[in-house]
Amino acid sequence: QQQVKQSPQSLIVQKGGISIINCAYENTAFDYFPWYQQFPGKGPALLIAIRPDVSEKKEGRFTISFNKSAKQFSLHIMDSQPGDSATYFCAAPPPSYSGAGSYQLTFGKGTKLSVIP
Amino acid sequence: GAVVSQHPSWVICKSGTSVKIECRSLDFQATTMFWYRQFPKQSLMLMATSNEGSKATYEQGVEKDKFLINHASLTLSTLTVTSAHPEDSSFYICSARETAVNQPQHFGDGTRLSIL
Repeated sequence: QQQVKQSPQSLIVQKGGISIINCAYENTAFDYFPWYQQFPGKGPALLIAIRPDVSEKKEGRFTISFNKSAKQFSLHIMDSQPGDSATYFCAAPPPSYSGAGSYQLTFGKGTKLSVIP
Repeated sequence: GAVVSQHPSWVICKSGTSVKIECRSLDFQATTMFWYRQFPKQSLMLMATSNEGSKATYEQGVEKDKFLINHASLTLSTLTVTSAHPEDSSFYICSARETAVNQPQHFGDGTRLSIL
C-alpha cells in the first residue's frame, strides 16, 4: 500500500517554465510536509517544508501549496532552470503515526525533473 | 544549517567482507537516526530507525543480523553490512533529526557500496 502518492513520475519543462509536482498523503495526524531534492550520487537535501496551519509557503522560486481537506500538497518551481534538474521527493510519516513522539518519513516514488534550455 | 556527514562515500569490496558505514551529525545532537537504502532510479526505502542508547528498530524484511546498527552517541550511528554479497550492493543513506520537537530530517550524502 503506497502511503505517499507522488506524481508525475517524470517531468520535462522548458527553461523559464513552471514545474509542478503533486503529493497525496494519508496520515492526517502529521503537521509537517517536506520536499526533498536529490542530485545523482548525492543524498536528498531538504528543499522546503510546510506546516498545515498555512496554505502556501514560498522560498525564492520554490512554493509549496497545501490543501488539507484534499490531503494533498504540491511543489511549484517558478522560472525553472537547468540547474533544477534533479529528482524531487515528497515525504510524510506512515498512517500508524499518531501525531506525537518520534516518527520516520516515508517517501514518495520521486519525480525526475528535466529542465531543458 | 544542520549537517549530516556520512563516510565512506564509496566502497568496493569482495564478497564475504563486512563493511562499516558511519553517520555523524556535525552540528546538532540526534536522538534518532535513520538508515535508508536506495536502488537506481527508485525511492528511498527505510531500513531501520536507530535510537541512541537502545536497539534499532528494523523495518519488515530487513535482516537484523545482516545489517547491524549501533547508535552509541548522540552524534554517531554506524551501519555494518556483515558478510556482504553482490545483492547487498546499493546506495545507503543515513538521516538524522535534531532532538528538539518537530525538527526536519537531514540526510547524509550516501555511501555507494559495490560488492564484487
